[in-house]
This record gives sequence, C-alpha cells and structure tokens, in this order.
Amino acid sequence: QQQVKQSPQSLIVQKGGISIINCAYENTAFDYFPWYQQFPGKGPALLIAIRPDVSEKKEGRFTISFNKSAKQFSLHIMDSQPGDSATYFCAASKDSSYKLIFGSGTRLLVRP
Amino acid sequence: EAGVVQSPRYKIIEKKQPVAFWCNPISGHNTLYWYRQNLGQGPELLIRYENEEAVDDSQLPKDRFSAERLKGVDSTLKIQPAELGDSAVYLCASSLDRGRFTGELFFGEGSRLTVL
Repeated sequence: QQQVKQSPQSLIVQKGGISIINCAYENTAFDYFPWYQQFPGKGPALLIAIRPDVSEKKEGRFTISFNKSAKQFSLHIMDSQPGDSATYFCAASKDSSYKLIFGSGTRLLVRP
Repeated sequence: EAGVVQSPRYKIIEKKQPVAFWCNPISGHNTLYWYRQNLGQGPELLIRYENEEAVDDSQLPKDRFSAERLKGVDSTLKIQPAELGDSAVYLCASSLDRGRFTGELFFGEGSRLTVL
C-alpha cells in the first residue's frame, strides 16, 4: 500500500524558474513531513521538513507548503539552479514509529 | 566529521550466493537504519536499531536476510541466498534521537547489489 504519492515523476525547469513537486498522504496520524534530496551515486540528504502545526516553512530558496485538510504538501524551489538537478523524495512519518515512508521520487533537471 | 560509511560500494554476485554489507554510522548516533532502494523508487525500511537492539524488523525478509549491530556501533546486513529480485541499493542511515524522533537521517552512499 503506497501511503505517500508523489508527482510528477520528472520535471524540467529553466534556470531561474520555480520547481514545484507535490505529495499526498493517506495516514492522518503522520506528523512529520521531510523532503530529501539525492544526487546520483549518493545517499539522500535532508533538505527541509515541516510538522503539521504550521502551513508553510521556508529555508532559503526552498519552501514547504502544507495543507492538512487536503492531506497534501509540496516543495517549491525558487530561482532554480542547475546545481538543484537531483532526485527529490517526500516522506512522512509518525513520531512514535521512527519510520520514514518515502514517495517514489521526482527527477528534477534544471536547464542552464 | 565523517559521515556514514558503507562498503562495498558495488557488488555483483550470482543468484543463490551470499552477500554482506557493512555500515559504520556517525559517531554517537544511537539509531541505525537499513533501507533498500529499488531503481527509480524511494527507500524502504528494512530494519531499525536502537543501540544494539533491533526494534523494528517487521519489513526484513527473515528467511534470507539477517542483520546485526555489534556493540551498538557498526552493523552488517547479510543476504543468503540472494535472489534476482534483491538487486537494489542498500542504504545505511543513522540518527541521533534523544527520546523523540528527529526525522533527520544521515544516509551513506549505499551499496549497489546486482544479482545475476
């Protein structure tokens, strides 16, 4: 059972543009929603995370928007750069489980 | 500070052969995870350790997979015998959780297994 659905599967954006990746979850008990960034040949690395007590969190060019009623959250990358080209994974977990459920990933390519 | 170290980076074996992966977590991290990442997919948890205790192995295929974490530091994941469907990247991660899940996992670069 896929508990976290991520879209799109791939995304091409011009340098300077906005990249938007969406995720939807099913389990209302989830209370932690991180985004991980993975470069080829590397392990995933935490990019930014949010808990459901806020609707938005911004760190530099990266913003998470969270809609609890719709059970959706998204990653916005402003002023996208070629160095942002990577695969992005959303994830969700319940604190008590210590288990991250990952989405299937979005492969982002930022063209110069 | 050194990150999570995994070896080998790549392994090619024939089906039915055994294989083992090793992980050295970040110093002081009490929680250690093994994840499996199939091509084009997100990581899936196999097992989680709190210090030397396996506290969640519900998704570990116990008929062929085994794991251990000696003295609460290094860990080894073993597959015996390997099947074609085991081809994947095996990721080790660690985190420092003091009574509450921080959610920040530090992943190693992974061990890519190809079963022929």
